[in-house]
Amino acid sequence: EIVMTQSPATLSVSPGERATLSCRASQSVSNNVAWYQQKPGRAPRLLIYGASTRATGVSGRFSGSGSGAEFTLTISSLQSEDFAVYFCQQYNTWPPITFGHGTRLEIK
Amino acid sequence: VQLVESGGGLVKPGGSLRLSCVAYGFTFSSYRMNWVRQAPGKGLEWVASISSSSSSMSYADSLKGRFTISRDNAKNSLYLQMKSLRAEDTAVYFCARGQGGGTSDYWGQGTLVTVSS
Repeated sequence: EIVMTQSPATLSVSPGERATLSCRASQSVSNNVAWYQQKPGRAPRLLIYGASTRATGVSGRFSGSGSGAEFTLTISSLQSEDFAVYFCQQYNTWPPITFGHGTRLEIK
Repeated sequence: VQLVESGGGLVKPGGSLRLSCVAYGFTFSSYRMNWVRQAPGKGLEWVASISSSSSSMSYADSLKGRFTISRDNAKNSLYLQMKSLRAEDTAVYFCARGQGGGTSDYWGQGTLVTVSS
C-alpha cells in the first residue's frame, strides 16, 4: 500500500499571502495525484488531478506541481473561503486508493 | 450532477446496514463509482469502487468480506451492503463519481453510520 504523507499538519497563513502544502508518497506514483478541499460538515471537493490539472470551476489561485513522489499544492493570495482542510490522494497503484491525513489551513 | 446518499443510522455491533446513493444529472451507467468514508474528526478512507458495468469491484483490504459494493444502472443507484459492523466502522459514508483513473469529481453529502450498543 502506498502511504501519502502530508506536511505540515496545520498551516497558519494570513489572508492575501501564499500557502504551500506538501505531499510525499512512499514510492513513485508518477503524476497520479489529486488534491481535495474539505470544509467543515461538507463533502470533499476535487481541486487538482494529474498532479497539476485544475478541476472544472476551480480558481486559478490553486496550482499543483510535482511528479514521482513529491507534490505541492500552492494557493496564491489566500481568501477567506480557502481556509479548510486539504487532502492529497494517489491513484497510480490501486487498490487501494490512498489519501494523506490532511493539512488544515487556518487563518493567522 | 447530484449524488444523494441514504440508509445511514445507528446500528449495534455485529449488525448490518445497506447504504444507497441515487445519481442525478449525468449518465450514471458510464461512470465508475466509489464509496469513501470519514470517521469523526479523521481523514478520508477509500472503501470500495465499482466499474460502470459492474464487471470489476475493488475493496479496501480491511473491509473485504464484510462490505459489498453494487449498482443498478437502471435505477441510477449505487449501494454498499455492510455486515458484521464494528465500532470502528462509525463514519460518514460518501458516494462519489469516479473520474479518469481514480479520482472522484463529484461527491454526495454523506450519510452517517454509527455503530454502538
